[in-house]
Amino acid sequence: IVLTQSPGTLSLSPGERATLSCRASQSFSSNYLAWYQQKPGQAPTLLIYGASSRAIGIPDRFSGSGSGTDFSLTISGLEPEDIAVYFCQQYLRSPPTFGGGTKVEIK
Amino acid sequence: QVQLEESGGGVVQPGRPLRLSCAASGFSFSSHGMHWVRQAPGKGLEWLAVIWHDGINKYYADSVKGRFTISRDDSKNTLYLQMNGLTADDTAVYYCARGSSPYTSAYYYNWGPGTLVTVSS
Repeated sequence: IVLTQSPGTLSLSPGERATLSCRASQSFSSNYLAWYQQKPGQAPTLLIYGASSRAIGIPDRFSGSGSGTDFSLTISGLEPEDIAVYFCQQYLRSPPTFGGGTKVEIK
Repeated sequence: QVQLEESGGGVVQPGRPLRLSCAASGFSFSSHGMHWVRQAPGKGLEWLAVIWHDGINKYYADSVKGRFTISRDDSKNTLYLQMNGLTADDTAVYYCARGSSPYTSAYYYNWGPGTLVTVSS
């Protein structure tokens, strides 16, 4: 399953809403989709699993939604510490695959 | 507190072998599928391999099948990746990750900080 993320880069001001898209080449019968945040020089960390469930310790400004082939990650009020690259991952079918990532920048 | 710590990276000549290790702590290691994921410089994430909780079932990405071998030692809470036939295309940061299930289908609860492998003559 190929995952296509858009946009490649998102440049927003603090407090703005960020919407990141992840489109799958095949429809998901179950929401086996996760989102990760990777800050510069660090390993990825889990944000969202099951398309919409927040991982432990993740602020509620992060939310995931979607089904079928279209999924999204929303950051409801961008904070400076949210500067990162965000990856989606499907774990329904083997091999697990990742999207190419969306880089979020602060204006 | 869950911790994963990779080791064994470095500069290696093309064709030479290298073995990576991942020391795990803070969770029931033997209950989880464990994965290796890599990231080439400036690129995205590429899943490489999984070993199920049973230590028997192992699956690989096509890009490394036949060259890389994943294994685990539950008595030492350690995951391994034996890499043979290395080429420049294998240059990347290698992460180990704890799967959310004992099997292949999993998201990754935790990641190690990664270890850099540079394949160069």
